[in-house]
Amino acid sequence: DAKTTQPPSMDCAEGRAANLPCNHSTISGNEYVYWYRQIHSQGPQYIIHGLKNNETNEMASLIITEDRKSSTLILPHATLRDTAVYYCIVRVGYDYKLSFGAGTTVTVRA
Amino acid sequence: GAGVSQSPRYKVAKRGQDVALRCDPISGHVSLFWYQQALGQGPEFLTYFQNEAQLDKSGLPSDRFFAERPEGSVSTLKIQRTQQEDSAVYLCASSADVSDNSPLHFGNGTRLTVT
Repeated sequence: DAKTTQPPSMDCAEGRAANLPCNHSTISGNEYVYWYRQIHSQGPQYIIHGLKNNETNEMASLIITEDRKSSTLILPHATLRDTAVYYCIVRVGYDYKLSFGAGTTVTVRA
Repeated sequence: GAGVSQSPRYKVAKRGQDVALRCDPISGHVSLFWYQQALGQGPEFLTYFQNEAQLDKSGLPSDRFFAERPEGSVSTLKIQRTQQEDSAVYLCASSADVSDNSPLHFGNGTRLTVT
C-alpha cells in the first residue's frame, strides 16, 4: 500500500471549517483514499472514502486532487465533539487490510 | 442499528494468565478483523476472517495469540501466558464484504493491562 503523510497535529476553531491535508504521492490507480477518526477511548470511526472523484456525506467532504497525489478532508462546521485523531489511509480496492499511520490529532477549540 | 460489540471493556491479567476477548460483529457481516493498538500508536492488523475461515493471521505477534470464529459470527481472541508487552487495546472490526470496498466498522475495544 502507498504511504500517507499527515501533519501530526492541528487546531481548529469551533464553528469554522476544518481542512485536513493528506499526501499520498505514490498512490496507485486502484487505491482508494479512506478517512477514519478515533475519538479518545473509542474505536476508529469510518468517515468517508473515494477513488478519484470528490465525495460528500453527512459527516464530511473529501477533495482529491486531479493527479490523486493528495487529498483534503473537510469538516464543514467543526464542533468540540470533532476533536479526535484523524487517519488518512490508502487501500487497494480488493485488499481487506487497513494500514493505519500516526494520523493527525485535531483539537477543536471554543 | 447495533454496532460491533466487544467484551470485556477492560481486563486486568497477571503475567502468565490466559485471557479471552470477545467480539460480536454487526449482524450479517462476512468479514471480521482484529487489531492491536498500543498507547499513542495507530491500530495494527492482527488477523482476518471471512465467515469462519481465518484467511490471514500474519499480524499475530506470537503463537501465544489465537483467534477463532467457529460459526462465522462471534469471534474470540485468546492470549495465552500473557506478558507485559501484550498490554494494549484490542479492537475488533467487521465489514459487509471486503470485495466491494465496504468500510470497516470498529468496536470500542478491550483494554488489556498485564501486571
